[in-house]
Amino acid sequence: EDKVVQSPLSLVVHEGDTVTLNCSYEVTNFRSLLWYKQEKKAPTFLFMLTSSGIEKKSGRLSSILDKKELFSILNITATQTGDSAIYLCAVAPPNTGTASKLTFGTGTRLQVTL
Amino acid sequence: NAGVTQTPKFRVLKTGQSMTLLCAQDMNHEYMYWYRQDPGMGLRLIHYSVGEGTTAKGEVPDGYNVSRLKKQNFLLGLESAAPSQTSVYFCASSYGTSGVLEQFFGPGTRLTVL
Repeated sequence: EDKVVQSPLSLVVHEGDTVTLNCSYEVTNFRSLLWYKQEKKAPTFLFMLTSSGIEKKSGRLSSILDKKELFSILNITATQTGDSAIYLCAVAPPNTGTASKLTFGTGTRLQVTL
Repeated sequence: NAGVTQTPKFRVLKTGQSMTLLCAQDMNHEYMYWYRQDPGMGLRLIHYSVGEGTTAKGEVPDGYNVSRLKKQNFLLGLESAAPSQTSVYFCASSYGTSGVLEQFFGPGTRLTVL
């Protein structure tokens, strides 16, 4: 059974801190890893990582994948209160002609305080 | 574009009642999905569809049925609701082309079964 584990489960930081969120996976077939941010409602897409060692960056957020050690990290620098959310990691199997069924982790709940 | 919409937003049912959740997308996506999200469990796939007229089981399909009569709509039915189906339900959609794995989520439906 495919498994995606995120750590920590929750985290409280002060505005301006840098945080690192972890996602490790055990899947029989791996294609890509995706990060989502979930505020009060719908998860919104952040990054998709397919190749090992290549950093994806968007503003203060960045992410990297290590396919050898089977994990990814999501970094957020200079955190702001608007970064408070649940961050979800998901892995996608190879495209076999059917829908890309994502396997999600339980998420990391980040709270950024003033 | 409205993206992915879900109705209703909230619903309270009594055990044994039935209901249908409606998901609609206006992005001409081929693939659609229904997830449930429970505390500490992450997002779990209930059913999915790779095109109009097709459906398939996901990770937790028991107690649910789905239909995709039109490409833009994906319905999730509960025939006889149980308290264990109390959850937040998310619909998502994605393109059918290989390599495009990002799923777009609706705002969710919070269902309580008493």
